[in-house]
Amino acid sequence: GQSLEQPSEVTAVEGAIVQINCTYQTSGFYGLSWYQQHDGGAPTFLSYNALDGLEETGRFSSFLSRSDSYGYLLLQELQMKDSASYFCAYKSYQKVTFGTGTKLQVIP
Amino acid sequence: SAVISQKPSRDICQRGTSLTIQCQVDSQVTMMFWYRQQPGQSLTLIATANQGSEATYESGFVIDKFPISRPNLTFSTLTVSNMSPEDSSIYLCSVGRDRRENTEAFFGQGTRLTVV
Repeated sequence: GQSLEQPSEVTAVEGAIVQINCTYQTSGFYGLSWYQQHDGGAPTFLSYNALDGLEETGRFSSFLSRSDSYGYLLLQELQMKDSASYFCAYKSYQKVTFGTGTKLQVIP
Repeated sequence: SAVISQKPSRDICQRGTSLTIQCQVDSQVTMMFWYRQQPGQSLTLIATANQGSEATYESGFVIDKFPISRPNLTFSTLTVSNMSPEDSSIYLCSVGRDRRENTEAFFGQGTRLTVV
């Protein structure tokens, strides 16, 4: 089957660094994406890893290891507005399959 | 990018009735996708809608319950039929770019459905 597993909840302190992990099982894998979703809002695209390694976009970085079927999203200098749900996802034949999701709570 | 207008944004419906959700995209796209997101859960793909052909449904979703129309390359509707409280959820439409290497998906703001 196809699945992407994430921790359900993570809590971190404002200004700190947090890592959200994603392990996946799939065929026809083209790369791993990350989305952010605030309560009541639509998911928005954060990053994409086609190749192994680290991709950096401002305070957010994403990592992929195909050999380990594993990726993570790294959020630095956490802000209160980063409190949201984060989903890893992969695209296969135009369809996007989402991970189980991680609810991040940033505390003062 | 793509701008997606979805309506209604929310509705409260009586069980046994049907609701049609509309999704309008500001550019032509080959495929449109419909997702369901139950409270506190991830997004689950309901079906893929191609213009000029029947929608392709994922396991656990059937056309009689979730009929989809795709009359042109910028518009689609999803109907939730014969609703029950278990259908209370957020329904989202989504599009992506047509090239395999472009992985970003764009979403409408969602329809928050409550069935009473």
